[in-house]
Amino acid sequence: QSALTQPPSASGSPGQSVTISCTGTGSDVGGYDYVSWYQQYPGTVPKLIIYEVTKRPSGVPDRFSGSKSGNTASLTVSGLQAEDEADYYCSSYAGSDWVFGGGTKLTVL
Amino acid sequence: QVQLVQSGAEVKKPGASVKVSCQASGYTFTHHNIHWVRQAPGQRLEWMGWINVGNGITRYSRNLRERVTISWDTSASTAYMELSSLRSEDSALYYCARGTFFKAFDFWGRGTMVTVSS
Repeated sequence: QSALTQPPSASGSPGQSVTISCTGTGSDVGGYDYVSWYQQYPGTVPKLIIYEVTKRPSGVPDRFSGSKSGNTASLTVSGLQAEDEADYYCSSYAGSDWVFGGGTKLTVL
Repeated sequence: QVQLVQSGAEVKKPGASVKVSCQASGYTFTHHNIHWVRQAPGQRLEWMGWINVGNGITRYSRNLRERVTISWDTSASTAYMELSSLRSEDSALYYCARGTFFKAFDFWGRGTMVTVSS
């Protein structure tokens, strides 16, 4: 499995919205509604923030939302806050296997 | 509360093997699969494989399947990941993570640092 493709970086000012893309193939992102997103601060453990493309675990702010079209999934962070500055990874189920994206460093300007 | 407690850091020479443990608590061990994910310094997350701790079925990533073995001990609520023929590029933080029915990883261990150096 090749890694899913994410932009290496994204940025936005406080209060703005930013969207991070995650492109795979019909064997992973396009083939299943099992895309998840993880937030990781430097030196800490990844945290699940989106699962099944659009769902948020309890406690995750509704500023985080997910979507998917074809082989590309997206994470949108609305109303950017300083605390959103982190690395974000997408992951997709791929039929008994899983694959991660390369990660996107989100900078809040 | 759910916890995954991993074994301590390891330093190994090239060609050696390493075995990392992951002890689960706070939930019924056999109700969730355990996955292993690694992250080299400054690099992306890489899925390595998983084990169904209910029946022992395992699945490994294509590029690691000849060197990785995941096992478990239900009586100890512990999963293990062994990586053989270590190379310098295997130096990374190795995480165990709890799998869910919605194909995501909801709880993670704190990671075990494995350093491969001669």
